[in-house]
Amino acid sequence: QVQLQQSGAELAKPGSSVKISCKASGYTFTSYYISWIKQTTGQGLEYIGYINTGSGGTNYNEKFKGKATLTVDKSSSTAFMQLSSLTPDDSAVYYCARDGTRVPFAYWGQGTLVTVSS
Amino acid sequence: NIVMTQSPKSMSISVGDRVTMNCKASQNVGNNIAWYQQKPGQSPKLLIYYASNRYTGVPDRFTGGGYGTDFTLTINSVQAEDAAFYYCQRIYNSPFTFGSGTKLEIK
Repeated sequence: QVQLQQSGAELAKPGSSVKISCKASGYTFTSYYISWIKQTTGQGLEYIGYINTGSGGTNYNEKFKGKATLTVDKSSSTAFMQLSSLTPDDSAVYYCARDGTRVPFAYWGQGTLVTVSS
Repeated sequence: NIVMTQSPKSMSISVGDRVTMNCKASQNVGNNIAWYQQKPGQSPKLLIYYASNRYTGVPDRFTGGGYGTDFTLTINSVQAEDAAFYYCQRIYNSPFTFGSGTKLEIK
C-alpha cells in the first residue's frame, strides 16, 4: 500500500536550517510529484511547493522561495525539504503529500513538527 | 494568487442534520477543487476531488458541488465522527492554495 513516512520532530535554533524527509513506498516513486504543506494553528494549511520526482524540477509558492528547498533521492524514493534561516514563524507541522493528475493529494505523510526556539 | 475563502468559520450541528459549507475562489478555477477532512493530530484526508468526485472509501453522505468560483461540501445525516476541520484546496494548477477551513462541531 502507498505510504509516505516522514522523519521525526526537529528542535532548531533561530538562524539555523533543518532538512526533513519523506520516504515513499508502495508505488513507483518517479510517477508522482511530491508536494509540501505547512500547518500552523493560526495560519491553517499553506502550500509550499512541489518537486517533480523524475526530473527534480521544482515549483514554489512565492511566499516560500528562499525559505524552502526541495530535493529528491530517487535511489531511496525519498523527498527532502530544507528550511533555512529559521525563525519562530517557521515553527509548524510540515506534511508531504503525493500529487497526481487523476487523483490529487490522496496520500499524505504523518507530518513532521519543527520547533524553532533558542 | 488565487484566494480561497471558506465559510462559515465554524458550525455546530446535531447528529442526523444536513450541513453545507462553502468555498469561494477569487478567480474562476473551473472544477479544480478538492475537499479534505482533518481531525486533531491527524493528516488531512481527501474527501472530494475535481469538485464532485468522491474519493475511494468516502461515505456517500459527503457530496461536493459547484463550478467556477463557488463550491459546496454537503454532509447528509451528519454523524458524530464527522466532527473535524474541513478544508478546500485549488488543485491542478499551482499554487495549490488552501482555504482557511471550517470547523464542524457536533452538539
